[in-house]
Amino acid sequence: SAVISQKPSRDICQRGTSLTIQCQVDSQVTMMFWYRQQPGQSLTLIATANQGSEATYESGFVIDKFPISRPNLTFSTLTVSNMSPEDSSIYLCSVDQGEWSHGYTFGSGTRLTVV
Amino acid sequence: GENVEQHPSTLSVQEGDSAVIKCTYSDSASNYFPWYKQELGKRPQLIIDIRSNVGEKKDQRIAVTLNKTAKHFSLHITETQPEDSAVYFCAASLGGYQKVTFGIGTKLQVIP
Repeated sequence: SAVISQKPSRDICQRGTSLTIQCQVDSQVTMMFWYRQQPGQSLTLIATANQGSEATYESGFVIDKFPISRPNLTFSTLTVSNMSPEDSSIYLCSVDQGEWSHGYTFGSGTRLTVV
Repeated sequence: GENVEQHPSTLSVQEGDSAVIKCTYSDSASNYFPWYKQELGKRPQLIIDIRSNVGEKKDQRIAVTLNKTAKHFSLHITETQPEDSAVYFCAASLGGYQKVTFGIGTKLQVIP
């Protein structure tokens, strides 16, 4: 199955600043997904990123706050902009392996704390 | 959009007993149902999945059942061990590179 390298693994940021999270996959994948997981909570989809087109955002998430890039089939970035303490969470990228038996694989996550 | 409900939210069992986690989904077009295990501080890991053309699937101590008519699916863990303690998430998807919608999670505690 695909191996995803996600970085940074954690960061502490000042409110009002931005952080860019990167995910690199060791194979080409069609779709990449970005999730947010608050402590003790489930995974909430932020957006779906398809190479060569604008990301599709879920209700409650907007491009100005969470801009996403997908320059090729192995890489994507998520930026958390103008951060506030409410943005403190774990952010995970995920890829669809394209084969039923492999399902969806997750990166190791980025633990973001906004102070 | 898809809505996945999961219960119970917490489950404690004695080592060696069975554990069952149940989920329902709302979109009858969903046809792929993965289950994830997330240990504390780690990423979710796929443990088993099932497609809509299959009613049951087993992998050693883990089994998943699917009732498409009722839009129910369940995870069964037999002979539980302390290392089974984790949060388990059910999910549903249309498949084919479509997004995955997760349930709220079940925190399973296996008591030695």
